[in-house]
Amino acid sequence: GAVVSQHPSRVICKSGTSVKIECRSLDFQATTMFWYRQFPKQSLMLMATSNEGSKATYEQGVEKDKFLINHASLTLSTLTVTSAHPEDSSFYICSASLRAGGADTQYFGPGTRLTVL
Amino acid sequence: DQQVKQNSPSLSVQEGRISILNCDYTNSMFDYFLWYKKYPAEGPTFLISISSIKDKNEDGRFTVFLNKSAKHLSLHIVPSQPGDSAVYFCAASEAGNTGKLIFGQGTTLQVKP
Repeated sequence: GAVVSQHPSRVICKSGTSVKIECRSLDFQATTMFWYRQFPKQSLMLMATSNEGSKATYEQGVEKDKFLINHASLTLSTLTVTSAHPEDSSFYICSASLRAGGADTQYFGPGTRLTVL
Repeated sequence: DQQVKQNSPSLSVQEGRISILNCDYTNSMFDYFLWYKKYPAEGPTFLISISSIKDKNEDGRFTVFLNKSAKHLSLHIVPSQPGDSAVYFCAASEAGNTGKLIFGQGTTLQVKP
């Protein structure tokens, strides 16, 4: 149980284009989903918290107009990188929160490798 | 301000022996702690967690210990297997903070055959 998928797993795009990444909780409903970015040999950096039916909460320094997040249902959140540039190349990971036993545990997707040429 | 710290960037142990990964935190409001395992180019995999009302939680080969007075937790893996070689992240969350996790920097574990 508690499986989270991401699509696509890898994407290469030209500078200036937009890229959409989907995150789905396959076997549970997630009121809250999270988007992270990981730079090489570094820890996960939280970008934003996504709640179903409401606006995402962005961490300090993350441009909300560049990284558009939509949480349309309890099983789907999308991250759109708009007008991508080479510096946006990174490994993007989503997670979905499952509440059990009074605690929230995040289950992560497999990640999406974005390369902007 | 690094609220969750993993001071050992790497650890190497022999197969069959115990692996001990350590994590320190500074925020006394953290009430839930988790350990994740991560392979390169993959998302983290949840391993084990512990609530602040407990001092130990065990699941198979994995045991997490929590010392609240020292603000320290550790993950014990016994016996260690080569497949355990990965990066291990500890994470903490604060009650009422939407489940937001604060991650440590990670420790790379290498288990030698």
